[in-house]
Amino acid sequence: DIQMTQSPSSLSASVGDRVTITCRASQSISSYLNWYQQKPGKAPKLLIYAASSLQSGVPSRFSGSGSGTDFTLTISSLQPEDFATYYCQQSYSTPVFFTFGPGTKVDIK
Amino acid sequence: QVQLQESGPGLVKPSETLSLTCTVSGASISTYYWSWIRQPPGKGLEWIGYVHYSGSTNYNPSLKGRVTISVDTSKNQFSLKLSSVAAADTAVYYCARGVGPRTPIDYWGQGTLVTVSS
Repeated sequence: DIQMTQSPSSLSASVGDRVTITCRASQSISSYLNWYQQKPGKAPKLLIYAASSLQSGVPSRFSGSGSGTDFTLTISSLQPEDFATYYCQQSYSTPVFFTFGPGTKVDIK
Repeated sequence: QVQLQESGPGLVKPSETLSLTCTVSGASISTYYWSWIRQPPGKGLEWIGYVHYSGSTNYNPSLKGRVTISVDTSKNQFSLKLSSVAAADTAVYYCARGVGPRTPIDYWGQGTLVTVSS
């Protein structure tokens, strides 16, 4: 099974800060990596797909990069509405098996 | 606008079968891949499995043997059955859509909390 890890597990940041979250796969997953944002009591929302493609309607301050085993989600200038938990997810496994990372909680410093 | 809505009992007894239905509006269920994903209180996300409108399925190996996902194209719905539930199956259950078998989840239901307790 492909295992996903994220770091850090949580971080505190201020509005306007640049934030970077890392996701690592236990084996190469090419670019089959997606990022989701989840706010309390809400369903997750797709931000980035295929490692670096911005989902329609998502602000351009969000960006993704990486391939193989190491990936990053960057928020270039943190906004009040960005305080949430972020999850990475792989869909490379055969047979198809989606695995989520444990999440990174971004809260207000 | 694509909308998904979960429905089903909010309380299930241990050893019984959890049954949920997802009603899809704004999109034909006769396309796409339809998933169930769950989230125990205060914890992360776990993919349960998906069904294609053709009836083909794929399940999380850790739940295989207990889970069945099916589709009803006449009602534009798909369903989840999870047998022999235990307290560890208490979670918010989300239904969701993916365009293809390896594509991301682009639409989610609001989620429904299912508690396993006697």
